Amino acid sequence: KAGVTQTPRYLIKTRGQQVTLSCSPISGHRSVSWYQQTPGQGLQFLFEYFSETQRNKGNFPGRFSGRQFSNSRSEMNVSTLELGDSALYLCASSLVPGPISYNEQFFGPGTRLTVL
Amino acid sequence: TQLLEQSPQFLSIQEGENLTVYCNSSSVFSSLQWYRQEPGEGPVLLVTVVTGGEVKKLKRLTFQFGDARKDSSLHITAAQPGDTGLYLCAGFTGGSQGNLIFGKGTKLSVKP
Repeated sequence: KAGVTQTPRYLIKTRGQQVTLSCSPISGHRSVSWYQQTPGQGLQFLFEYFSETQRNKGNFPGRFSGRQFSNSRSEMNVSTLELGDSALYLCASSLVPGPISYNEQFFGPGTRLTVL
Repeated sequence: TQLLEQSPQFLSIQEGENLTVYCNSSSVFSSLQWYRQEPGEGPVLLVTVVTGGEVKKLKRLTFQFGDARKDSSLHITAAQPGDTGLYLCAGFTGGSQGNLIFGKGTKLSVKP
């Protein structure tokens, strides 16, 4: 069974540009969550999608957005990039959303975004 | 804002030594998870603890959830180089709209 895949794995952008990252969940998984990981702040929750609807959102500015397609694949977009957006962006999939303790999340390897 | 503080931030030990990593908060969590993350990879779930006072053992790893469900610890016995990685604790805030709050992690290096 293939794991969570994220593309691209590495990305270099300049300030002011926008970027789109892609996540393909494990087959059969319908919930996708996105996280930002930086050395200073650690892993922070961005948002969660289920059945093409955003069901939960973390404390990030509106420049960060996402969507989910009917096949459960998800994309996240960051507009007007800032230097502080440099981070590892991780996506995680699970069968369904809900209490995490009963519903394991599987993480992808991440996309390393560098903003110059 | 709910926060999870992990300590120590870095730990470098020799193979065969024992170690304990701590995860503390002033907030109550409905459940708590421990992950291990290796360079270039996403975190991998090790365990979920749900009940206050719960202890779970996974081979040489022992996980404990505090009675008040505000803190947790991970103890590794006879560490091996394969245990090297970033250990993350994550608390679930509960409810239908809950999400995971992560600690910043403990970077463990086990030297042969």
